[in-house]
Formats: sequence, structure tokens, C-alpha cells
Amino acid sequence: SQTIHQWPATLVQPVGSPLSLECTVEGTSNPNLYWYRQAAGRGLQLLFYSVGIGQISSEVPQNLSASRPQDRQFILSSKKLLLSDSGFYLCAWRSGGAANEKLFFGSGTQLSVL
Amino acid sequence: AQKVTQAQTEISVVEKEDVTLDCVYETRDTTYYLFWYKQPPSGELVFLIRRNSFDEQNEISGRYSWNFQKSTSSFNFTITASQVVDSAVYFCALSEALLWTGKLIFGQGTTLQVKP
Repeated sequence: SQTIHQWPATLVQPVGSPLSLECTVEGTSNPNLYWYRQAAGRGLQLLFYSVGIGQISSEVPQNLSASRPQDRQFILSSKKLLLSDSGFYLCAWRSGGAANEKLFFGSGTQLSVL
Repeated sequence: AQKVTQAQTEISVVEKEDVTLDCVYETRDTTYYLFWYKQPPSGELVFLIRRNSFDEQNEISGRYSWNFQKSTSSFNFTITASQVVDSAVYFCALSEALLWTGKLIFGQGTTLQVKP
């Protein structure tokens, strides 16, 4: 069966420090991968998605970037964190093809920027 | 523009009560999907249902049921005989269907607390 892993589960970082969050999917090949962010008291917002290695689409301008170095690995990064980057970050995946239009989410990373 | 509104921020019920979570959406797309996800305290989002815009049949899955009404742009979720394990944040979401990219427009979520 397919599983999705995110780490770390929680992270406290000072303003101006770098960030690297990792997400990996097991049990499937060539998944579409997504990074969503849930700010406090708000709904989820799509940040990035990727349909293949090296292919990244950005949904909103921000202080973050994403990379997909391997088929089942998706990384969210920042060179210098801002206070506004605090939030709950969720990685998600879907398998390709028709009739698979639903996302499966990981357990998330709670990021606090102080 | 697409928008999802979950007007109920928090709902508290006593176990075994029925509870309905409201979801109202806005979209100009003629073909779209509607979703419900559950976020338990552990944080991950659990997929509950996806509904196509051309299928207005109500759906029942155990104690869960969904009422989709295009005329009022609503996709409400009812839990019958609620249980403590139903306590979670519930999100309604919308996406276009023709070129599905995985971009879901989420509502703000409704926190459901079921007390024993």
C-alpha cells in the first residue's frame, strides 16, 4: 500500500534561518506531489505541486521554494525564514490517471518561526 | 473566482446527537469536484469523499451522509449518532475537474467537538 512520510513533525526556527522539509512517498511511482500550508485559523493553501522530477509549479509568490530531486521525494526549502512562514505544512500525493482526482496527505510539519 | 465557505467555526455536540456541517461554494466552472476531509488531532488530513458536479445524488457511508445541492451551491455533511472519535476539524474543498491539477480550494474548516 502507499504511504507518505513527512519530517520533522515539529520545528522551531529563528527568523533568518534556512529551512528544509522533506516528504517521501512509498508504494507508488510517478506520483503528483504537493505542498500545502495551513496558517493558524485559516484553511489550507496550495504552495507548490510537481508532476515529475525537476518539474515544479508555484501557486503563490512567497519566500519558499520546492524541489523534486527524485521521483518520490519532494522538498520544501527557504534560504531565510520569515515570521509569516509559520504554519502547518502538509505534503500530499495522488497517483496519475483518470478517476484518481483526490489527494492523500501526510501527517504534516508544524513550523514555528520565532 | 473559486471560494468555499464553512460558516460554522466550531460546533459542540453530545455523543449520539446528529450534526450537520455546512459548506457553501462559489465557482464559475461548469464541471468541478467537491471534497470533504477530516483532520483529527494528529494533524493529517483524511479523505472522506469526492463528489462530481454532475452527480447530485446524495451519498451515505455508515454514519456519514452528504447532501449536494447545486441550486444552493451547497455540499453539507451530516454525521448521525455522533461519537467522541468524530471530534476533529472538517474541511470542505473545491477543485476544477476538466484539467485537474490537485489544486484544492479549502474552506476555513469546522471544528467539531463531540462530548461523551
